[in-house]
Order: sequence, then structure tokens, then C-alpha cells
Amino acid sequence: GEQVEQLPSILRVQEGSSASINCSYEDSASNYFPWYKQEPGENPKLIIDIRSNMERKQIQELIVLLDKKAKRFSLHITDTQPGDSAMYFCAASRPNYNVLYFGSGTKLTVEP
Amino acid sequence: EAAVTQSPRSKVAVTGGKVTLSCHQTNNHDYMYWYRQDTGHGLRLIHYSYVADSTEKGDIPDGYKASRPSQENFSLILELASLSQTAVYFCASSDRGGDGAETLYFGSGTRLTVL
Repeated sequence: GEQVEQLPSILRVQEGSSASINCSYEDSASNYFPWYKQEPGENPKLIIDIRSNMERKQIQELIVLLDKKAKRFSLHITDTQPGDSAMYFCAASRPNYNVLYFGSGTKLTVEP
Repeated sequence: EAAVTQSPRSKVAVTGGKVTLSCHQTNNHDYMYWYRQDTGHGLRLIHYSYVADSTEKGDIPDGYKASRPSQENFSLILELASLSQTAVYFCASSDRGGDGAETLYFGSGTRLTVL
């Protein structure tokens, strides 16, 4: 299957600053890149996704960038709040293949 | 919202024993998945299924079997549980996408401890 690398594994930021998480993938055919947020003791939930026909997508304070040439994508959280503290997972999937391959996760802590 | 229910929520098993984790979805989704979560490894795919009575291997199928007796139900079976299978297990479902993957809806997870 697809291999997805995610960095950093741990990220601490001050409230109000920005947080960035980076992922890379191996299969150039991959075309779907979602991000999931998992709060402590909860299940992962989709927060934003991007498909290969886009380079940038924004939903409120969440921005996803996709660089297909470099096979990299990233999540940027602007104006972080304590409620953004959670585990974040990136994932990738290939066309016509309904399976997501996840990165190893980033534990984000937003400090007041 | 989509509903995926896992049982049990937690389980303690003995090494060499048989463990069955159950998952039920009411979303009418074609796809169901079993993922394992370990610290430092994220979510790793064990088995998945896109139709009843058929299952597919994921990235880490060794030591696990899966069963999809109906569209709604998907079980994960550990015939001979081992210490290394201590983890949190998530079931998920998704609809069939027009061009690949769609949103996964996860259950609440099963925390399995093998002693």
C-alpha cells in the first residue's frame, strides 16, 4: 500500500500562533489527502481534505497545501486555540481504491 | 451523522486465547475497515471489506482474521492472541467514492490488553 510519512510527531505552540504539520507520500498516483483530528479518548474525525486537482484549500482556520510534484502536503492551523490540542493524522489514497493510508500522527499541544 | 458501533469498548485477554471484536454500522456503507492504533505508528490497516462475505488484507493482516457476514457487520478475530496485539482497534465505514476514497466514519474504538 501507500507509505505516508508525517512530521513532527510532537508539536507545541503558543495560543494564537500558527501550527504546521507536514506529510509526504510515495505513490504519485495518490489523489486524495484528508486530515483527521483525534481528541483524547475519542475517535478520529475528518476535519479537512484536498484532492489532487487542487493546490490549496481553506476551511476557517485550517489550510491544506498540496505539492504534487514534491509529493508533499501540509496542514496549517492559524490562530491556534487550546481546543486545537489533539492528535492529527494525515492520510493518502489512490484513485479507485477506497482505502486510506495514514501517517503516524502529530500530537499538537496549544499552550495558553 | 453516520453511526459505527464497536463492542466491546475494552477487553482483557490471555495470551493464546481467542478474541473477537465486533463492529456494526447503520450508514448503509459498502466499505468497512479495521485499523490498529499504537503510539508512534498511527493508524495501520489490518483488514477491510467492500462487500458482504468478502474481506481483503490490509498492511498488517498477520495474526488477524476478518469476517463480513452482512453489509452492517464486520468482525475482527484474533485466533491466538499475543502480547504484541495489545492496542486500540478502530472500526470504520465509508461510502463508495466515485474516484477513490471518501470520508471514514470511525467507531469509538476497542482497547485490547493481552496479558
